[in-house]
Amino acid sequence: GQSLEQPSEVTAVEGAIVQINCTYQTSGFYGLSWYQQHDGGAPTFLSYNALDGLEETGRFSSFLSRSDSYGYLLLQELQMKDSASYFCAVRDLYNFNKFYFGSGTKLNVKP
Amino acid sequence: GAVVSQHPSRVICKSGTSVKIECRSLDFQATTMFWYRQFPKQSLMLMATSNEGSKATYEQGVEKDKFLINHASLTLSTLTVTSAHPEDSSFYICSAGTGTEAFFGQGTRLTVV
Repeated sequence: GQSLEQPSEVTAVEGAIVQINCTYQTSGFYGLSWYQQHDGGAPTFLSYNALDGLEETGRFSSFLSRSDSYGYLLLQELQMKDSASYFCAVRDLYNFNKFYFGSGTKLNVKP
Repeated sequence: GAVVSQHPSRVICKSGTSVKIECRSLDFQATTMFWYRQFPKQSLMLMATSNEGSKATYEQGVEKDKFLINHASLTLSTLTVTSAHPEDSSFYICSAGTGTEAFFGQGTRLTVV
């Protein structure tokens, strides 16, 4: 089976840096993705790690440690529009298009 | 980038009726598509894998007779919620991928009254 754990909620101020952690237990792991979802909207892709290390995409970075079954999403220079839910998702080893999602982290950005 | 279109975006139906939701890959062919369900303030739960030309594969705990999935072509999968009840009210989202990335439809907000 698949199990992914994330903090339920995080609050930070504009301009700050925030890190959202994700730990996972899975029977078939290919990679870890991160998605952003605003209320009422569909998930949008942010970042993906298949190998250990840090991937940087603009203000967002994602890290993976396969040996620790752990990853995180780092958001820098927070903006009000970053207030949303963030999900880590394990990419299935046997079907690259299949994802199992974490519980989600609600990020509240305050002025 | 690749686009997945889902229709309708919102639907309200009476208890006991059936509702069909369509998921289309607009600019690529998808041999598999995926259906997720999301209750308010909760995560996306994978319901089933839709396989073109064959039976869908359902995740544990998902009733296959309740949630009928048909994947008749390489660009279309449909999810039919049969004999809907208020507890089926949820946000249903489909996805399809190209092998390197998955793309999500806009989602369907189903309300059963």
